[in-house]
Amino acid sequence: QQPVQSPQAVILREGEDAVINCSSSKALYSVHWYRQKHGEAPVFLMILLKGGEQKGHEKISASFNEKKQQSSLYLTASQLSYSGTYFCGTEYAGGTSYGKLTFGQGTILTVHP
Amino acid sequence: AAGVIQSPRHLIKEKRETATLKCYPIPRHDTVYWYQQGPGQDPQFLISFYEKMQSDKGSIPDRFSAQQFSDYHSELNMSSLELGDSALYFCASTWGGSAYEQYFGPGTRLTVT
Repeated sequence: QQPVQSPQAVILREGEDAVINCSSSKALYSVHWYRQKHGEAPVFLMILLKGGEQKGHEKISASFNEKKQQSSLYLTASQLSYSGTYFCGTEYAGGTSYGKLTFGQGTILTVHP
Repeated sequence: AAGVIQSPRHLIKEKRETATLKCYPIPRHDTVYWYQQGPGQDPQFLISFYEKMQSDKGSIPDRFSAQQFSDYHSELNMSSLELGDSALYFCASTWGGSAYEQYFGPGTRLTVT
């Protein structure tokens, strides 16, 4: 069962902020965030691990609420280059998966001048 | 910095033909994942390898097989191609099998006619 992302689409003006949410019905070990532009490969943004460890780009911030199995990606002072589809990929806890990611349906972010 | 290499970038095949997709991970990465992405869809996990052994399997048809070689490159073999196999196929690599960011290659666009 895939995680649920919200909102499905966001339209911003340059300089505005946005929050994208990712929610799972299953216990998570890690949450990965990617941005994908049309026809291109997903680009790694952030990984959040159970227990609080985070790794990612300096200008991107995110949170992981282990009790609610939810993650949020915070985009501040948006730039035109932020436009694209944002995916969360989840790795479920308790299994023997080796990094297998289940992706949400994506959030389309459009930034206008 | 070196990135994941995939070949070919584009492939056109007819129904019932076979195809082989290749993936060369980032140097020193020992883990490879294969994802399939249809138009407007999120990436779907197919199969993964850690240290040359299959580590996980997703929604991969029996017509598909894959392996990871001693130099850590991986090949996805697809037989009896169907129209529905037309998609972008991404390979991603990381190290340690889990809990690390996955770096995606540029993808192979497969078109089955």
